[in-house]
Amino acid sequence: AQTVTQSQPEMSVQEAETVTLSCTYDTSENNYYLFWYKQPPSRQMILVIRQEAYKQQNATENRFSVNFQKAAKSFSLKISDSQLGDTAMYFCAFMNPRKTDKLIFGTGTRLQVFP
Amino acid sequence: NAGVMQNPRHLVRRRGQEARLRCSPMKGHSHVYWYRQLPEEGLKFMVYLQKENIIDESGMPKERFSAEFPKEGPSILRIQQVVRGDSAAYFCASSPGGRAKSRNEQFFGPGTRLTVL
Repeated sequence: AQTVTQSQPEMSVQEAETVTLSCTYDTSENNYYLFWYKQPPSRQMILVIRQEAYKQQNATENRFSVNFQKAAKSFSLKISDSQLGDTAMYFCAFMNPRKTDKLIFGTGTRLQVFP
Repeated sequence: NAGVMQNPRHLVRRRGQEARLRCSPMKGHSHVYWYRQLPEEGLKFMVYLQKENIIDESGMPKERFSAEFPKEGPSILRIQQVVRGDSAAYFCASSPGGRAKSRNEQFFGPGTRLTVL
């Protein structure tokens, strides 16, 4: 069974600095999708970034980028120029489209951005 | 283009009552997913539906829980005879499915917070 592990329960960063959130996963599949979701205090789940496993190039969305290491089964999220509005829970998620499209989530990392 | 809508946002039930949670997917989306988030935990998959079909219910408890997505109207997650352990946030997500480039992207609703007294 696929599993997703986020080993950092809490992280903090100063405004304008860079922070990296870790995520590892376990799967025997070769083709799959990985996602990072943000959950601010409003509890709305917001898609931050996605990565297809068959793409070697790391995904980037403005200040958010990933470091996807397929062999190591690692999928970290880098937030550059952190802003106060980035304060939230961040969840890493895995999807195996060959089976069903359900998302398997990690336990989350609580990120606090300080002024 | 309205996002995924869920209602009610908050629901309070006493033990033994029934809870009905509704989810209207984004316009053009035919796939609906339900997830549960217990306090201080990540989201756990419950069920995946397409119109009039349950595709994957591997995360649904065997008893008291059921889900449907009729041809017309919203998707309903129904919990019968609720117990305190059912207290959680229930999220619905939708995706377009089919051949859309973003067919696997799931867009989440704001959630329904169920409290069982």
